[in-house]
Amino acid sequence: KAGVTQTPRYLIKTRGQQVTLSCSPISGHRSVSWYQQTPGQGLQFLFEYFSETQRNKGNFPGRFSGRQFSNSRSEMNVSTLELGDSALYLCASSLGTDNEQFFGPGTRLTVL
Amino acid sequence: QQQVKQSPQSLIVQKGGISIINCAYENTAFDYFPWYQQFPGKGPALLIAIRPDVSEKKEGRFTISFNKSAKQFSLHIMDSQPGDSATYFCAASRDDAGNNRKLIWGLGTSLAVNP
Repeated sequence: KAGVTQTPRYLIKTRGQQVTLSCSPISGHRSVSWYQQTPGQGLQFLFEYFSETQRNKGNFPGRFSGRQFSNSRSEMNVSTLELGDSALYLCASSLGTDNEQFFGPGTRLTVL
Repeated sequence: QQQVKQSPQSLIVQKGGISIINCAYENTAFDYFPWYQQFPGKGPALLIAIRPDVSEKKEGRFTISFNKSAKQFSLHIMDSQPGDSATYFCAASRDDAGNNRKLIWGLGTSLAVNP
């Protein structure tokens, strides 16, 4: 069974640009969560989608948004990028919201 | 405000030794406490998890000890091996209304096991 895949793996953007990251969950998993990982803050929860609906949201500004498609694939978008948005963005999928989360390898975003 | 406090930030252990990582939490409603292991270039992977109805759980060389009254839990790695060198995260979650869960993470411990 294929694991969680994230594309792209690496991304370099400049301040003010926007970016879209993609996550394909494990087949059959309906819940997708997104996290931001930085050395100083650890893993910070962004949001969780289940069956195309956002069910949980972390404390991030509105520049961070996401969506989930009918095939459970998910995208997250960050608009008006800031230097502080440089981080590893992780996607995790699970069967439901009360199950073990399986993480993808992440997308390393660098904002210059 | 860090709801889950993890220590130490980094740890160096000799091969064959015991690695101990500690976590403390504040919210008594937390009812699920997993530990994740992350290697460079990879996402975190679930290592072992415990619920508060037991005080200890062991899987191979990895043991979680849980102290509900002290609101603390720890990961013990027995006979530590160089292949255990990774970053370890503790986390905690509770079941909100509607079976919604959100993991609250510690900041991580970078473990290096010297050969």
